[in-house]
Amino acid sequence: SQTIHQWPATLVQPVGSPLSLECTVEGTSNPNLYWYRQAAGRGLQLLFYSVGIGQISSEVPQNLSASRPQDRQFILSSKKLLLSDSGFYLCAWSHPGLQFFGPGTRLTVL
Amino acid sequence: GESVGLHLPTLSVQEGDNSIINCAYSNSASDYFIWYKQESGKGPQFIIDIRSNMDKRQGQRVTVLLNKTVKHLSLQIAATQPGDSAVYFCAERPLGNRDDKIIFGKGTRLHILP
Repeated sequence: SQTIHQWPATLVQPVGSPLSLECTVEGTSNPNLYWYRQAAGRGLQLLFYSVGIGQISSEVPQNLSASRPQDRQFILSSKKLLLSDSGFYLCAWSHPGLQFFGPGTRLTVL
Repeated sequence: GESVGLHLPTLSVQEGDNSIINCAYSNSASDYFIWYKQESGKGPQFIIDIRSNMDKRQGQRVTVLLNKTVKHLSLQIAATQPGDSAVYFCAERPLGNRDDKIIFGKGTRLHILP
């Protein structure tokens, strides 16, 4: 069966520091991968998606970037965090059809 | 999207009663509709889906109804339990979407009264 992992589970970072969140999927090959952000009490905002290694599409202009160095690995990064980057970050995969979500990373920027 | 900045509406239901969560979708060309359940601090979890050529689908204690005429989707939960307390998101997948992007609704918080 397929599983999706995210780490870290929680992260507290100062403004201006770098960020790296990792997502990996097991039990499938060539999945579509997605990064979402969710503010407290809000809906899901799609940030990036990838249909293959090295292929990244950005949905909204922002302070973040994404990379897919391996088939089942998706990384969300920032060189300098802003206060507004705080939120709950969710990774998801699909192959193809439904999207299945990871457990999320709670990021607090102070 | 529109759902991102909105506060979530809340539905309060007595334990044991049936819950009905409604969703209006926007794209008449969507071929696939999905309901997700998100418990506090966790990622959304798939509950049930329905294709556009169907109008009803049943799962364990849940039923999804699709009315394409008015672009309305609903999730019915029978005999609501405390564990059903969560935020419920509807989602639609536009037809021909190779990248499997889906459009999420604004979500409804289901609160169970003892």
